[in-house]
Amino acid sequence: DAGITQSPRHKVTETGTPVTLRCHQTENHRYMYWYRQDPGHGLRLIHYSYGVKDTDKGEVSDGYSVSRSKTEDFLLTLESATSSQTSVYFCAISVLVSDYGYTFGSGTRLTVV
Amino acid sequence: DQQVKQNSPSLSVQEGRISILNCDYTNSMFDYFLWYKKYPAEGPTFLISISSIKDKNEDGRFTVFLNKSAKHLSLHIVPSQPGDSAVYFCAAANYGGSQGNLIFGKGTKLSVKP
Repeated sequence: DAGITQSPRHKVTETGTPVTLRCHQTENHRYMYWYRQDPGHGLRLIHYSYGVKDTDKGEVSDGYSVSRSKTEDFLLTLESATSSQTSVYFCAISVLVSDYGYTFGSGTRLTVV
Repeated sequence: DQQVKQNSPSLSVQEGRISILNCDYTNSMFDYFLWYKKYPAEGPTFLISISSIKDKNEDGRFTVFLNKSAKHLSLHIVPSQPGDSAVYFCAAANYGGSQGNLIFGKGTKLSVKP
């Protein structure tokens, strides 16, 4: 793999609890992204980062926040998890916006009960 | 509104035959298109891409065709192999403008039968 890891791989949490997913890269890539994949919706962008402390919202950012205090780590936080946030979450990295595509992590399957 | 559309949720093909996966887009500002392949329990992996200045790009058994006037692209896999069975995502971006992030379609699940 290209040096991108997501943790945890699986998580079950209760409605209303905070949850943080971690994406760690060893490639020193500038851009990092969080997507969610749901049946019938494909991959949808939640938030992205274009540098340390530089982040912006994607298509489905409501209920999510992110932080990037180091180049290698991009954290996705669900402040108060809801059942609609049950999904598979993918982190991706790229060198430039105009890179030949992103490199994706293996995903985190989150279940909110 | 969906900017990238994959209208066929699934496709079944016999081994050795051609697989054709289709993708339509609505944003005429898109200037780069990519296909990703995804196996269960894995992240998507980059397969092939095409710039809007081209109408065809080949890589081994995979060819992507772009028809800008119709806002349509297709991925051809010849010959199809059982290992090609996966979900294929079409993605687009406007690298020359503000929409630099990839916009994905909903995916097409390809099943190649032996």
